[in-house]
Amino acid sequence: NAGVMQNPRHLVRRRGQEARLRCSPMKGHSHVYWYRQLPEEGLKFMVYLQKENIIDESGMPKERFSAEFPKEGPSILRIQQVVRGDSAAYFCASSVGTGENTEAFFGQGTRLTVV
Amino acid sequence: GENVEQHPSTLSVQEGDSAVIKCTYSDSASNYFPWYKQELGKGPQLIIDIRSNVGEKKDQRIAVTLNKTAKHFSLHITETQPEDSAVYFCAATISGGSYIPTFGRGTSLIVHP
Repeated sequence: NAGVMQNPRHLVRRRGQEARLRCSPMKGHSHVYWYRQLPEEGLKFMVYLQKENIIDESGMPKERFSAEFPKEGPSILRIQQVVRGDSAAYFCASSVGTGENTEAFFGQGTRLTVV
Repeated sequence: GENVEQHPSTLSVQEGDSAVIKCTYSDSASNYFPWYKQELGKGPQLIIDIRSNVGEKKDQRIAVTLNKTAKHFSLHITETQPEDSAVYFCAATISGGSYIPTFGRGTSLIVHP
């Protein structure tokens, strides 16, 4: 059973370009969470999704950022018109999501560098 | 919303010593408290967790304690080894609800051989 898979591991974008980060949850997991980690800082919640639904996006910047988790395929975090301040590590986690089995498992992250 | 404070931000110990990391949370409804270990260049890995119906849980050299009244919980690592060096994060959430773990800022543990 493969873990949470994120790709790419490293992504370099020029200012103004778009960044697309992908996350495939663990098999059987239908809940996905995206977090951003800046150097020397903790994990900041961005968005929580279930299949085809955004449950909570209270941590997402209002502009340029969007997320989806389609019925088929991975979850996508999209950052449009990237700026240098978007440089960070972006982590995806997945869980079964309900009842007692709510452990969240993280992927290896995508390290975005905006030049 | 939930707020999790974690201390210390950096902890340096000698191999074989014990290490303790402490966290406090604000939402009394939180009932699930996982701990994650993050090695350099990798994603956080769940190492142990505790639910609010127990006060302590142990797994080999690591243990967690929870004081619901005071709203704080701690990670204890005994007989530390160099490979324990990493950043450790505590988190708090409500199991079974809109599960969104809120994380502390992390503790960088350095174990000197």
